[in-house]
Amino acid sequence: EAGVTQFPSHSVIEKGQTVTLRCDPISGHDNLYWYRRVMGKEIKFLLHFVKESKQDESGMPNNRFLAERTGGTYSTLKVQPAELEDSGVYFCASSKRQASSYEQYFGPGTRLTVT
Amino acid sequence: AQSVAQPEDQVNVAEGNPLTVKCTYSVSGNPYLFWYVQYPNRGLQFLLKYITGDNLVKGSYGFEAEFNKSQTSFHLKKPSALVSDSALYFCAVRDNSGGYQKVTFGIGTKLQVIP
Repeated sequence: EAGVTQFPSHSVIEKGQTVTLRCDPISGHDNLYWYRRVMGKEIKFLLHFVKESKQDESGMPNNRFLAERTGGTYSTLKVQPAELEDSGVYFCASSKRQASSYEQYFGPGTRLTVT
Repeated sequence: AQSVAQPEDQVNVAEGNPLTVKCTYSVSGNPYLFWYVQYPNRGLQFLLKYITGDNLVKGSYGFEAEFNKSQTSFHLKKPSALVSDSALYFCAVRDNSGGYQKVTFGIGTKLQVIP
C-alpha cells in the first residue's frame, strides 16, 4: 500500500511569490489533514477535509492560504502571496475514518523557505 | 482547550540503556494519546496510542508508553535503546469529550542514542 506522498519535497521562493503544495493521501482515506511545523515549534493543525468538504479550517493562518480537495482525492495548499513567516515544513496526513481513535498517516512533508 | 507538553528538548541516552521521553497533557474530557516518531528527512510515523483499557500500551520497534491519569502523563519508554532510535519524537492528544476535536501535538523531543 502506497503511503501519503507530498510534492515538492523542498521549495524556495521569494516573498510575494505563489507556491502550491500537493498531497496525495492513501487510497481510500476520506480524511485529509494539513499541518505546519515552524522550526523548533510544535506541529500546528491547519485544516481537515472529509472527502472534498472542509470539516475544520480553524488553523488556517489567514486568507493568503487556500486549500482545495477537488473530487475528494488529492489536495493542494496554495500560499499567495508568500511571506517570510510562512517558512516551515508542511505536513499532510490522512486517515480512513474520522473517529478520534484512529491514527493518522503522515507524508514526508514539504519544506518551504520564503526569502 | 487541549495542550501537550514535552518538557525536554533533547534526551541523550547510551545504547543499551533504558530510555524515557516525557509527555504531559491537558484536556477537558478523556484523552486519546499518541506517539509519533520522525526520522531525518522522513514524515511522522505512528508508534502507539492509548484509547482505553490497559494503561501500558505497547507499540512499534519495542516502544511502550504508560498512561497515568492522575499525573496526566503519557511517557514513552524503551527498555534498551538502539542507535537507530535516534530521531524526533512527538506526543499528541485528542479530547474524547464528544464532538469534533482536532489533534494537538507537542513541540517534539530529540532523542540521541550514543553508541
